[in-house]
Order: sequence, then C-alpha cells, then structure tokens
Amino acid sequence: QVQIKQWGAGLLKPSETLSLTCGVYRGSVSDHFWSWIRQSPGQGLEWIGEISHSGYTDVNPSLKSRVTLKLSSSIRQVSLTLSSVTAADTAVYYCARTQFYRHMDIWGEGTTVTVSS
Amino acid sequence: EIVLTQSPGTLSLSLGERATLSCRASQSVSSSYLAWYQQRPGQAPRLLIYGASSRATGVPDRFSGSGSGTDFTLTISRLEPEDFSVYYCQQYGGSTPVTFGGGTKVEIK
Repeated sequence: QVQIKQWGAGLLKPSETLSLTCGVYRGSVSDHFWSWIRQSPGQGLEWIGEISHSGYTDVNPSLKSRVTLKLSSSIRQVSLTLSSVTAADTAVYYCARTQFYRHMDIWGEGTTVTVSS
Repeated sequence: EIVLTQSPGTLSLSLGERATLSCRASQSVSSSYLAWYQQRPGQAPRLLIYGASSRATGVPDRFSGSGSGTDFTLTISRLEPEDFSVYYCQQYGGSTPVTFGGGTKVEIK
C-alpha cells in the first residue's frame, strides 16, 4: 500500500519561505497527480496546487505568485515552496495522491506550519 | 471558480439514524469530478466517494453518494459511532481550480 510521509520546517517568521516535502513509499510518483492542500486552524480545506511527473502544474490563482511545485521521480518526492509567508499561511499542510478525475485517495499525515514573529 | 455550498453546517443525529448531507455547486459540475471526504479530529481527510457515487476502497456500504449537475448528496444510512466527523465535498472543473465545500459536521444528538 502506498504511503506518504511529509516533512519540513514547522515554525517560520513572516517573509520567510515555507518548504515542505512529501516522500512516496511503496509506489511510484509517475502515474498520478500530486496535490497540496492546507487547512487553517478550525477552518475548511484549501487547494494549493498539483503537479504531475510530465511537468504539468496547476496552482490556485490566489497563491500562484508565491507557490513553486516540484517533483522528482527518481527519489519519489514532491515538494512545495511558498514564499513571503504571513500569519495567514499558518495551517496544516497536506500532500495527497490525486487520481485523473482529481479525487485525492491517499493523504499524508499533514505538517503543521506556524508563522509568527 | 466553482463555489461549493454544503448544508447543513451541523447535523445532530443519534446512532442508527440516517444522515443526508447536501453539496450545491455554483455552476454545473461533471459527476466524474465530484468527491466526498470524511475528516476526524486531528486526522487527514479520507476519501469516501469519487465520481459522485463510487465508494473508495474499504468504505462501508452504509455510505452512498448521488446527484448530478449542481446538486449532490452524501447519505449515511445508519450512523455508527465512528461516523461522527466532518464531511467535505470537492470538485474539479477542468479550466477552473479544485475547490472544497465548507464542510458539514455530523455530531451526536
């Protein structure tokens, strides 16, 4: 069964860059899309963006200027970079395997990111 | 973008009762691109339904999805203790970004 493990810095100061990685175990990154989703404290889910091994990316227009997505098939990792963070970026960030019709069938455990001075 | 409105915000029901959750889209969504998730406190979301009506692997058959166009429904036929959670619908519009509904909390009455 495919598993996703996430890691990255959990505490940032305003204006810093958020950097998170998800590693894919017992599976390939080449056959699916990979999405990032976040959830602010007590709030709902917000889609950040998606990437595929072909290099296709799509990003939420509200975050497009600050988001970079990368995928490495050789080491089976997907990464998210979000620049110039503010307190509004405080959230739990999830990585999820995404099928063709964009339903997300396998999720990482989530990484809590707090932005505070 | 396509806005998904879920209702009610909170549903208070007893064990064994039937739960009916609504997800309404601001414009038509292809059924192929409509999914439902369950999220328990402190956990990642879990895929329940995809393609509006197909159960994901391992999902009990008391969960069912239906609907088309702008109106979709998730039904839990008989509530079990582990079903008291928050439920989200999600859509993909092709040329518009993925969006999630605001969620419905199913709580014990």
